[in-house]
Amino acid sequence: DAGVIQSPRHEVTEMGQEVTLRCKPISGHDYLFWYRQTMMRGLELLIYFNNNVPIDDSGMPEDRFSAKMPNASFSTLKIQPSEPRDSAVYFCASSLYGQGIMFFGPGTRLTVL
Amino acid sequence: AQSVSQHNHHVILSEAASLELGCNYSYGGTVNLFWYVQYPGQHLQLLLKYFSGDPLVKGIKGFEAEFIKSKFSFNLRKPSVQWSDTAEYFCAVSGSGGSYIPTFGRGTSLIVHP
Repeated sequence: DAGVIQSPRHEVTEMGQEVTLRCKPISGHDYLFWYRQTMMRGLELLIYFNNNVPIDDSGMPEDRFSAKMPNASFSTLKIQPSEPRDSAVYFCASSLYGQGIMFFGPGTRLTVL
Repeated sequence: AQSVSQHNHHVILSEAASLELGCNYSYGGTVNLFWYVQYPGQHLQLLLKYFSGDPLVKGIKGFEAEFIKSKFSFNLRKPSVQWSDTAEYFCAVSGSGGSYIPTFGRGTSLIVHP
């Protein structure tokens, strides 16, 4: 298996622009997570899905952030409009219920100028 | 709610020194415990895990961790570190039933000087 795939790996954009991050989980995994990592706040859970359904989005910082999972093999995290404080590394992870083990993607390094 | 505390935020060692990273958790039930490692510029990957059984768990690259239930601790150890162990280390806890979603600690940055 190729593991969790994320794109793009790097994104540089200007404040106010829309940003879309993409994730393909490991086939067969029924949980998908979006995390944000910064020096100041460490690793933050933004939202997670179970069987494509959003379960807990309490970690999403603002209404500017939204996430979707239209099918079992694809998820997006969108920021609109983006702000400089959104600059971070965004990780997607997937897991199989009962295993308790998270498989992380390589991350998207987002820079908002 | 579950929580994880990693006491050491930054650790600097010389090669061949022994390592112990502290991890304490708060959870009112049976737990699963994990250590993840993030090498520079890479994603997090599982280092070792504890689900049940022997409280001394051995992972990859010579790492081990000991679950001490009475102390709510799951400290990571390695008897002799190498320069290639330079990385960020995250402790995580999840409930073994019910609240399955893991909670991560803030992480400990380890720098090993050659």
